Amino acid sequence: ETGVTQTPRHLVMGMTNKKSLKCEQHLGHNAMYWYKQSAKKPLELMFVYSLEERVENNSVPSRFSPECPNSSHLFLHLHTLQPEDSALYLCASSQDLGAGGEKLFFGSGTQLSVL
Amino acid sequence: AQSVAQPEDQVNVAEGNPLTVKCTYSVSGNPYLFWYVQYPNRGLQFLLKYITGDNLVKGSYGFEAEFNKSQTSFHLKKPSALVSDSALYFCAVRRPGAGSYQLTFGKGTKLSVIP
Repeated sequence: ETGVTQTPRHLVMGMTNKKSLKCEQHLGHNAMYWYKQSAKKPLELMFVYSLEERVENNSVPSRFSPECPNSSHLFLHLHTLQPEDSALYLCASSQDLGAGGEKLFFGSGTQLSVL
Repeated sequence: AQSVAQPEDQVNVAEGNPLTVKCTYSVSGNPYLFWYVQYPNRGLQFLLKYITGDNLVKGSYGFEAEFNKSQTSFHLKKPSALVSDSALYFCAVRRPGAGSYQLTFGKGTKLSVIP
């Protein structure tokens, strides 16, 4: 285990549903990330939080809404998603944003299917 | 802009043979380079990184990678492959400096080690 826990592992939702993905890290890290992993595509960085403050929003549609209530928890709230949003959503953490050499610790992801 | 290319979608190697997974990058300035591995139904795990210094970097599970600045490459290698090395491997690049937390991943290379 990497110390980053994501729930649920699998989620099936309709386009009109509202759901949330949860991520918890037990590593005492200060930075947390959401990535989207689609088949045969590079990982896409969605959001970055440092000390509970959002520092990056990579042109993500507003139907994805992140929340970071404290440095250990990160949520991704989903509403009115599209079928093309079906993917594996990965949460990651690092000690700090720092100057670039930090390694990321990933959770196992939530496999999302939008019907 | 920074980018990573992993030219092979899949690499097959016999158990006990040496393996190489290729990666080339494009970034302004001196890069920070990473390799991550993803086992089925799991998140990504850090293998190794190059920040500065010796061009040959040693990492987890007997893997190593060689930084070649003139060829802008960072190929992953292992002298003797194991069946348990079968997984998806991602190369990533990051531009050093505060605020440069955008880690750009390649599309991944699926490694299959044949018994």
